[in-house]
Amino acid sequence: GENVEQHPSTLSVQEGDSAVIKCTYSDSASNYFPWYKQELGKRPQLIIDIRSNVGEKKDQRIAVTLNKTAKHFSLHITETQPEDSAVYFCAASRSGLTGGGNKLTFGTGTQLKVEL
Amino acid sequence: EADIYQTPRYLVIGTGKKITLECSQTMGHDKMYWYQQDPGMELHLIHYSYGVNSTEKGDLSSESTVSRIRTEHFPLTLESARPSHTSQYLCASSPSATNEKLFFGSGTQLSVL
Repeated sequence: GENVEQHPSTLSVQEGDSAVIKCTYSDSASNYFPWYKQELGKRPQLIIDIRSNVGEKKDQRIAVTLNKTAKHFSLHITETQPEDSAVYFCAASRSGLTGGGNKLTFGTGTQLKVEL
Repeated sequence: EADIYQTPRYLVIGTGKKITLECSQTMGHDKMYWYQQDPGMELHLIHYSYGVNSTEKGDLSSESTVSRIRTEHFPLTLESARPSHTSQYLCASSPSATNEKLFFGSGTQLSVL
């Protein structure tokens, strides 16, 4: 099955700096890579996702890059703000399969703290 | 409003009790999931369902059971709760095989004394 590793486990940055979180996956057939943000005491929410047919995707201050050859993908947050403080989870799956073939496998999470 | 609802939000019970955690979604999603998560920690998939009468065990071994008799309802049952079951349980749903965006419920924080 799929195995997703995520680093670092904690990340502290100054407000306005950039933050980068990295994930690697093991299943070369995985083709869908979402990122979820979970604020303290809240439910996880999808913030951005990327499919294997593109190498980069941006949404305002957030971007995700994918290197299929190396089997790793990264989340980039620019101009960080205090409200970016949260736990971020990466995930991977084989999209488009019916039945049990496309379960999401999550990374272990990164606690991001944006300091004033 | 279309959403995914979990009840109760908090539950404190004694060892040996049988409990059912409720999860309902009004979005018409086919796929539903149960995750176990300690605060801020990894999400562990314990059960999932791809439709009515379909249930599968997840990656983390669990003594709980689930049922999917109706599309919108996916309850999780613990026949005999133990202190090791203390955790947060998150229910989630997603629309289809090609739209995998997970919508999470607010969770049930379970404490077994």
